[in-house]
Amino acid sequence: ELKVEQNPLFLSMQEGKNYTIYCNYSTTSDRLYWYRQDPGKSLESLFVLLSNGAVKQEGRLMASLDTKARLSTLHITAAVHDLSATYFCAVDSNYQLIWGAGTKLIIKP
Amino acid sequence: SAVISQKPSRDICQRGTSLTIQCQVDSQVTMMFWYRQQPGQSLTLIATANQGSEATYESGFVIDKFPISRPNLTFSTLTVSNMSPEDSSIYLCSVRGASGNEKLFFGSGTQLSVL
Repeated sequence: ELKVEQNPLFLSMQEGKNYTIYCNYSTTSDRLYWYRQDPGKSLESLFVLLSNGAVKQEGRLMASLDTKARLSTLHITAAVHDLSATYFCAVDSNYQLIWGAGTKLIIKP
Repeated sequence: SAVISQKPSRDICQRGTSLTIQCQVDSQVTMMFWYRQQPGQSLTLIATANQGSEATYESGFVIDKFPISRPNLTFSTLTVSNMSPEDSSIYLCSVRGASGNEKLFFGSGTQLSVL
């Protein structure tokens, strides 16, 4: 059974700081997704990582994938308040997505 | 990409009643997925809705409680039947991108509160 673990589950940080969210998964998969969810809202796709060594960046967010280690990271650079949200990773398994528990990120001014 | 119109966006319902949630997609898709997200939790897949056949339900979800219709390739409904307060959640429909192996696109969600 494929399991996806995110950590930390909760993160409170100051504006301007850097931090990384980790997503580990238990079996082979070559496709990993990062989503953002604002409170009371639906999910917004951030990144799709399709191969080992893939790295994608959008603004202050950068995601990477290491399929050998079964690990993806979402790095936040010089955080700003607008990035406060819950971030989910999800891994493909037989055309379904297996979801991590989510990381609630609060960025304080 | 795919644009999904989901309604209602929220509802407050009485115990024992049923609510039907609708999702309309702007393009034809093979599979539509229905998720539940309980407060503060991650997403749990309820079922996969296939056009022309019965939906495939995940463990812990049954057709009598969550009947699904999929009359064509652009539309699906999920009914939450005989509701109880434990059914209070956000319900989300989603589809894959056109090639079938792309990311999921989500509807705006239905926030359901059962009194």
